[in-house]
Amino acid sequence: GAVVSQHPSWVICKSGTSVKIECRSLDFQATTMFWYRQFPKQSLMLMATSNEGSKATYEQGVEKDKFLINHASLTLSTLTVTSAHPEDSSFYICSASEGGRNTQYFGPGTRLTVL
Amino acid sequence: QKEVEQNSGPLSVPEGAIASLNCTYSDRGSQSFFWYRQYSGKSPELIMFIYSNGDKEDGRFTAQLNKASQYVSLLIRDSQPSDSATYLCADNQGGKLIFGQGTELSVKP
Repeated sequence: GAVVSQHPSWVICKSGTSVKIECRSLDFQATTMFWYRQFPKQSLMLMATSNEGSKATYEQGVEKDKFLINHASLTLSTLTVTSAHPEDSSFYICSASEGGRNTQYFGPGTRLTVL
Repeated sequence: QKEVEQNSGPLSVPEGAIASLNCTYSDRGSQSFFWYRQYSGKSPELIMFIYSNGDKEDGRFTAQLNKASQYVSLLIRDSQPSDSATYLCADNQGGKLIFGQGTELSVKP
């Protein structure tokens, strides 16, 4: 149980394009989903928290107009990196938790490379 | 700024030994903590969580929490080469996880 999937697992795009990453909870309803970014040899940095049906809450320093998050259903959240630049190249990981529970289950991650 | 501190390592132990991973946290009010394992290039996998003072055992893993001293530790008994990974300690702040920088563990055959 508690399986979270992400798609795509990796993506290469040109500078200036937008990239959408999907995060799905496969066997539970995720009232809250989290988006993290991880640079090489560094720990996970929380970007934003999203609750189903409401606007995401972004961490300080994260541009909400650049990283668009949508949590339209209890099993799906999307992160869109708009006008991507090489400095946005990173490992993006989502996690999900079930209502009333604090345990977060992580998706397999999406490696984004912007050329 | 609530912080979680871990020694980045690498911590090297021989196969079969006990690996001890430590974590300290700054928020005296923190209630629960999570340990995750992350293999290189992969996302974190949940090992266990702890919210009560004392020890919690799950198989070869034992988590220890000391709220008075504000530290959390993870012991891995009978370490195996497959345990070689980065271990992340996380402080649960109202559902949000504040991660330490992780400790790299290397188990030598």
